[in-house]
Amino acid sequence: DVKVTQSSRYLVKRTGEKVFLECVQDMDHENMFWYRQDPGLGLRLIYFSYDVKMKEKGDIPEGYSVSREKKERFSLILESASTNQTSMYLCASSLRWEQYFGPGTRLTVT
Amino acid sequence: GESVGLHLPTLSVQEGDNSIINCAYSNSASDYFIWYKQESGKGPQFIIDIRSNMDKRQGQRVTVLLNKTVKHLSLQIAATQPGDSAVYFCAEKHGSGNTGKLIFGQGTTLQVKP
Repeated sequence: DVKVTQSSRYLVKRTGEKVFLECVQDMDHENMFWYRQDPGLGLRLIYFSYDVKMKEKGDIPEGYSVSREKKERFSLILESASTNQTSMYLCASSLRWEQYFGPGTRLTVT
Repeated sequence: GESVGLHLPTLSVQEGDNSIINCAYSNSASDYFIWYKQESGKGPQFIIDIRSNMDKRQGQRVTVLLNKTVKHLSLQIAATQPGDSAVYFCAEKHGSGNTGKLIFGQGTTLQVKP
């Protein structure tokens, strides 16, 4: 079975802090994705990566950056957290089109 | 029970009844579709997929129907159980090859009444 793990289930940070969300997959998938999920807005793509050291902006990249130094790991970085980044963050990986999701990190920025 | 229209946020059905969750997709060029189930506090889980060269695909207690003429996708769940209570998302693939992004619908919450 594909396993996608995320470093934290719940996280509380203060405004202005730098936040790292880590995602690891164990199936040697080329593609990895970061989404945020908000009530009424569904899943929105922040960034994705099709290969190591490669990244592409999704639909809402502002305020975020990513890092993919190893194939299995894809990190989402909030350079200076703001309250409007309070959300559920979901990581996914795929070999082709079917994406497998991690359990999510619920981030609260106060 | 059945949901209709572009987006019906909640569908309530009686345990044992069949459920039909509908989804309208946007891009006539989309060639692959997935249904996901998301239980409370968890990430979305794959249920079933279908390619555009098919109009029906069956899994265990689930069937996906694709009508390309009207760009409509539906998920049918037979003999709905309390464990089916969740949010269901449809997703369509945009882009070619293996690098297509998925575009997700807003989701429909399925509530199963005992």
